[in-house]
Amino acid sequence: QSALTQPASMSGSPGQSITISCTGTSSDVVDYNYVSWYQQHPGKAPKLIIYYVSNRPSGVSYRFSGSKSGNTASLTISGLQAEDEADYYCSSYTSGSTPWVFGGGTKLTVL
Amino acid sequence: EVQLVESGGGLVQPGGSLRLSCEASGFFFSDYWMSWVRQAPGKGLEWVANIKPDGSEKYYVDSMKGRFTISRDNAKNSLYLQMNNLRAEDTAVYFCARDNEWSRDYWGQGTLVTVSS
Repeated sequence: QSALTQPASMSGSPGQSITISCTGTSSDVVDYNYVSWYQQHPGKAPKLIIYYVSNRPSGVSYRFSGSKSGNTASLTISGLQAEDEADYYCSSYTSGSTPWVFGGGTKLTVL
Repeated sequence: EVQLVESGGGLVQPGGSLRLSCEASGFFFSDYWMSWVRQAPGKGLEWVANIKPDGSEKYYVDSMKGRFTISRDNAKNSLYLQMNNLRAEDTAVYFCARDNEWSRDYWGQGTLVTVSS
């Protein structure tokens, strides 16, 4: 069982916006802004798309944005494109015995 | 260009040992924390361990403490993961990743470890 909770799957049509949630606790998402998001296409390595809750690395599309409210972090993808179909994982620093945790992942399907 | 290349995966029997390596290039390896992250077949990502630039601090996920050891050789730009007493549930692709800005900003392509008799 992952420490961070994500929906197992989501879907959207091209051009739409979708928001993936990542729910944590006071040990992680609530107390720390060290939330990051990763995109993983089948058979590929994960790719960092958001760090520090809402920062985009160089080269990542502006269509990806992150935010946080209380115990929930969110990844929003605007103007969905076919290439956005992938698995998405959130991650956070945690004050628990294991310093880093991932969410269970969300499989995004672009219809 | 930052590159991370893992090696050392393969088939090992339960109870056996394996040492994974990750060779880094394209950045000052000795300046960065480094992590291992694994992914069981069809499952999600699981952070395994990380190590401070000078190797003086190491952190592990609870379930692997005592069985896995992370280390590094900055002279060789290399990261290692020694895995002992392997179990079937350790079967996974193991990724090395660079820690930066409290995230994993670059990842290798992964190496597959299969624990089976």
